[in-house]
Amino acid sequence: DGGITQSPKYLFRKEGQNVTLSCEQNLNHDAMYWYRQDPGQGLRLIYYSQIVNDFQKGDIAEGYSVSREKKESFPLTVTSAQKNPTAFYLCASSRSRTSLGLGIAEQFFGPGTRLTVL
Amino acid sequence: AQSVTQPDIHITVSEGASLELRCNYSYGATPYLFWYVQSPGQGLQLLLKYFSGDTLVQGIKGFEAEFKRSQSSFNLRKPSVHWSDAAEYFCAVGDMEYGNKLVFGAGTILRVKS
Repeated sequence: DGGITQSPKYLFRKEGQNVTLSCEQNLNHDAMYWYRQDPGQGLRLIYYSQIVNDFQKGDIAEGYSVSREKKESFPLTVTSAQKNPTAFYLCASSRSRTSLGLGIAEQFFGPGTRLTVL
Repeated sequence: AQSVTQPDIHITVSEGASLELRCNYSYGATPYLFWYVQSPGQGLQLLLKYFSGDTLVQGIKGFEAEFKRSQSSFNLRKPSVHWSDAAEYFCAVGDMEYGNKLVFGAGTILRVKS
């Protein structure tokens, strides 16, 4: 079955540590995204990538880093510089806008990773 | 910049009653609009989307939404709510200026009482 996987489902981090969240997709999508979800705030975009080896900052990129070395993978590192990292993190993917011509492609979401800082 | 407002943080309806979740957007051009649903601790699932054409859009699980340009709204409706519809619902607008970027509302939590 095609889809998006995120691991781990739960992650605990001590203050001052960097942690990496995994996101893999087998949908052959060009674009991938990372969102942070906090209660009552909806989803906020951290980083997105429209093509391999390229990515852009979203609205709340400070304290996070990403890489896009393979089409299928878009890992997110939460660094010690992120002051309040406890949250639910969602990865998504979509076809690229260029492959559609005009319009916005729907995004498909993974099951999420809940990160807790101890 | 575009934005999405979901005025209701929580809504409670009785099972079998009708449902309307409100969504207002701010966007200069023709919007690309989406409704997603999220069960607790899960990812988001697309319910329906509007790109152009007929302003009444049908989605999965018996949901529909109506695009009203004059009111900048894209409200989600269901004629008869089931207990399994209890979840959080998110409205989103597509940002053409930044590729495929979506801007999400804060969400509406739906509670269904039996």
